[in-house]
Amino acid sequence: DQQVKQNSPSLSVQEGRISILNCDYTNSMFDYFLWYKKYPAEGPTFLISISSIKDKNEDGRFTVFLNKSAKHLSLHIVPSQPGDSAVYFCAASGFGANNLFFGTGTRLTVIP
Amino acid sequence: NAGVTQTPKFRVLKTGQSMTLLCAQDMNHEYMYWYRQDPGMGLRLIHYSVGEGTTAKGEVPDGYNVSRLKKQNFLLGLESAAPSQTSVYFCASSRRQVTRRPEAFFGQGTRLTVV
Repeated sequence: DQQVKQNSPSLSVQEGRISILNCDYTNSMFDYFLWYKKYPAEGPTFLISISSIKDKNEDGRFTVFLNKSAKHLSLHIVPSQPGDSAVYFCAASGFGANNLFFGTGTRLTVIP
Repeated sequence: NAGVTQTPKFRVLKTGQSMTLLCAQDMNHEYMYWYRQDPGMGLRLIHYSVGEGTTAKGEVPDGYNVSRLKKQNFLLGLESAAPSQTSVYFCASSRRQVTRRPEAFFGQGTRLTVV
């Protein structure tokens, strides 16, 4: 049973516009959320995270929003660049746990 | 600066064969992890280790064994490969629990096909 869901397998955006990637989770014990970025033939690389005590975290062009009541988080990329084209994974964990639960990923294509 | 290195990058096995995937990290990390990635499933944790000589089961441990004899190495073994183990395997390491601090570094992956 998938505890972290990314319902959009793919997303295409024009260069310079905003990319919004969405993620839903079902486990109310999750208190830490991360986004990873993955290029083909490479391992995932950490992008940005957010703790459940916050509802927003920003790092340059990347902002993650957390809506705990809706069990939903989103990643905003502004402005989108062709180099952002990759698969983005949402991940979540609970306090003291050693496991990260990953979503299925969203493939972002930024069109020049 | 190698980071996390996985060996081999590709492998084709026949059902019933055994093999070992090697993960090596040069960052002196305490924690190491093995994940598998399957279409439509995301990454799932197989086994992990919180230090040299320790191992623990993750979300999908059946059919796999692991060993952490040296701090820098984490081995994943398949004793009798099955087609259901066809997947891309990722090793990761971190300075502490990856769930609390996001310093997890992933290897480039091993694509395993069991026929």
